[in-house]
Parts: sequence; structure tokens; C-alpha cells
Amino acid sequence: AQSVTQLDSQVPVFEEAPVELRCNYSSSVSVYLFWYVQYPNQGLQLLLKYLSGSTLVKGINGFEAEFNKSQTSFHLRKPSVHISDTAEYFCAVTRMDSSYKLIFGSGTRLLVRP
Amino acid sequence: DVKVTQSSRYLVKRTGEKVFLECVQDMDHENMFWYRQDPGLGLRLIYFSYDVKMKEKGDIPEGYSVSREKKERFSLILESASTNQTSMYLCASSLRGRTYNEQFFGPGTRLTVL
Repeated sequence: AQSVTQLDSQVPVFEEAPVELRCNYSSSVSVYLFWYVQYPNQGLQLLLKYLSGSTLVKGINGFEAEFNKSQTSFHLRKPSVHISDTAEYFCAVTRMDSSYKLIFGSGTRLLVRP
Repeated sequence: DVKVTQSSRYLVKRTGEKVFLECVQDMDHENMFWYRQDPGLGLRLIYFSYDVKMKEKGDIPEGYSVSREKKERFSLILESASTNQTSMYLCASSLRGRTYNEQFFGPGTRLTVL
């Protein structure tokens, strides 16, 4: 079975500072990896995904993530955050052979302060 | 533009009532999903449908049923609502295929059972 761990439930950061949201996963088979964002009172939106190829993945709104197979991690980074980045961020995985079923982490609330 | 709509943003029901949550997608997607979102638990899959009248249980199907009579519509049914079903419910849809297909999410229905 697959599982996803997001150790930080909340990350406060000042505007224009860099941020890293951590995600570790566990799986005995190959997986695809995702980050989703949920703005207040909205559904989830895909930020970025790793399917294959380069381990550094760029997404929307200036976010990027790096797949590290040896550490089973997929941390999300942004070099300079804006107030508008305040949202909840979810890491998710799916098996390559059963790619419809997403397994989500518990979420990290990013709080950007002026 | 891709669109998944849910019939209500907020819903308040009483214990024991039968509750219907409706989801409609306009993208001609084969797959549709119902998730439950709770603080600290992320999103958990309740039911999945890969075609009209076809369904599969997700990770937490107890207390729920679903109906898919038309391709664009997927209903979640709480036969007898209980207070522990107070939660945010998210619907999603995707294309069906052997490789990964992005899931598109609706805005969610926040259900309170009193």
C-alpha cells in the first residue's frame, strides 16, 4: 500500500521569503507524484506533477518540486512567496499501474504574512 | 474550460435524514470520484465510478452509496446521516486510460449533520 506523510501541518512565512513544504511517501511499487493547492473556499487545483524524466518539476505560480527516489521525497519549493500563496497544499501519489487512485497526505497550511 | 460543479456549497441536515450530494461534469469524462476532506486527514476516497452504472468502493465507503445513471452526473447518498459524517465532500472527474489522467475537482460541499 502507498502512504504520504506531510510532517508540517502549518508553515508560517513572511512575504518574499523562500519556502519549502515537505512530502515523503512510502510505496513498494513505482508511483506518480503530485502537489495540489486548495485556496480558501475552493476545490483542489493541480500545481505540478512528476510522471517521469527530469526529477526537477516546475509548476504553476512559480512553484517547483524535486523527486528524490532514494529519500522517497517530493518537497515543494518557491524562492519568494506572495500573500496570495496562502492556501492548503496537498501532496499525493498514485501507483503507475493503477493511476486513477490518488493517495493524499494530510495537508500543509501555508500562511504568508506581510 | 474544464468544469465540475456540485449542487450545494453548504448543507445542514439532521441525524437520520437521507442526504443527496450531486456532482456534474461537462468534460465527457468517464471517471468520477467522491472524496471526503477532514482536517489532519487530507482527502480520502469514498467511491469511484469508471462508467455509467459502474462503481467501486474506495477507502471509506461505510455509510455511503452512490448512483451514476448518466455519464455527466455522479451522486453521493447518505442513507441515514450521522454526526460523524459532518465533513467537506469533494467531487472530481478524469478521463479513463492506461496512463495518468488529471483529476479535476469541484468546489466542495460542506455538510453539517446536527
